[in-house]
Amino acid sequence: GNSVTQMEGPVTLSEEAFLTINCTYTATGYPSLFWYVQYPGEGLQLLLKATKADDKGSNKGFEATYRKETTSFHLEKGSVQVSDSAVYFCALSGSYGKLTFGQGTILTVHP
Amino acid sequence: NAGVTQTPKFQVLKTGQSMTLQCAQDMNHEYMSWYRQDPGMGLRLIHYSVGAGITDQGEVPNGYNVSRSTTEDFPLRLLSAAPSQTSVYFCASSGMGAGDTEAFFGQGTRLTVV
Repeated sequence: GNSVTQMEGPVTLSEEAFLTINCTYTATGYPSLFWYVQYPGEGLQLLLKATKADDKGSNKGFEATYRKETTSFHLEKGSVQVSDSAVYFCALSGSYGKLTFGQGTILTVHP
Repeated sequence: NAGVTQTPKFQVLKTGQSMTLQCAQDMNHEYMSWYRQDPGMGLRLIHYSVGAGITDQGEVPNGYNVSRSTTEDFPLRLLSAAPSQTSVYFCASSGMGAGDTEAFFGQGTRLTVV
């Protein structure tokens, strides 16, 4: 079956530091890949997505590239801000709109 | 743009009580799902639906029932609440077109069973 593994968290960074959150997956077929973000007290919002191999999703300074050869979809940002503090989830699409999520990574950014 | 609306936002139940978590979407999406979020475990699929009248079990369906009488609504029922069902519940919807890969989530329901 499908599975998603995210790097163990939490992650604590200073403002303007470089961020990487690792995500690897196991899936049959050719799923779409997503990063969702959950700000404190809120639901999940789509941060970025990639629908096929070598696609790069980007939004709000975050980027992730769909690497089929390494089955990875690592999230990166060159300079984080305090406002980026949130929980980040890597996910892949299955049939009928179903999503398989990673464990989530708590990011805290200090001024 | 209402999107996906969940009610209530917070709920405290006693063990053995029943309740229904409501979910409604106004995007005419065919697919709807319920997930529970627990610390360190991400979101896990409880039940899902591919259209009115059609539902199926996900990864963790025990203790939950669903039905889908309309495209818009997908309620989740707890028939006899247990402390293990303390969690945050999210409803999601998505379309079935080739480009409709994004799921839209409600704000969540934080449920505590005592």
